[in-house]
Amino acid sequence: EAQVTQNPRYLITVTGKKLTVTCSQNMNHEYMSWYRQDPGLGLRQIYYSMNVEVTDKGDVPEGYKVSRKEKRNFPLILESPSPNQTSLYFCASSLSLQGYEQYFGPGTRLTVT
Amino acid sequence: AQTVTQSQPEMSVQEAETVTLSCTYDTSESDYYLFWYKQPPSRQMILVIRQEAYKQQNATENRFSVNFQKAAKSFSLKISDSQLGDAAMYFCAYKMNYGGSQGNLIFGKGTKLSVKP
Repeated sequence: EAQVTQNPRYLITVTGKKLTVTCSQNMNHEYMSWYRQDPGLGLRQIYYSMNVEVTDKGDVPEGYKVSRKEKRNFPLILESPSPNQTSLYFCASSLSLQGYEQYFGPGTRLTVT
Repeated sequence: AQTVTQSQPEMSVQEAETVTLSCTYDTSESDYYLFWYKQPPSRQMILVIRQEAYKQQNATENRFSVNFQKAAKSFSLKISDSQLGDAAMYFCAYKMNYGGSQGNLIFGKGTKLSVKP
């Protein structure tokens, strides 16, 4: 089944404790992206990757890191999480940068206390 | 910068009736895509319908259809014969269609749709 998976689905952590949210897709997509969703703000792009080893900042990159060492994986790293990073996070992928359909993962609910 | 505006934070419809969700957007581009996504309580983002800006014909997917007015930069979603399972948050989204952009989907803030039995 073609899908985007994220882990964990729920995470509660404390300020400053490094964490990684994994994202994996099995559709051989070149383009992957991370979004965060906050009430009243819709979804906003954090980082994106056009292919392996090619990543760039989205609209709200502060406090986040990403890496793209393999085509299928695109982990989101929070080196020192803060309470304002409490949010719902989505990973998405599409065939290419120009691909018109993005497939979303199930979301990761992160709470930073 | 492109923006997407959904002016109705909440809407309500009676089961089996029709409801229209509004969306306007601002762009200076001529080649782009528009989308409606549904987010039920499970939080999964589900693509409902897609419209290519170069197509004049309005997209339709079963009970879902759009009214795309390119000159007015309007992209409304009509849900016919509403069902209880249609209750969800609906997001309108925009995406440019050429290299050089960051492939970013730009989302509106969403409209919460309730369906009354």
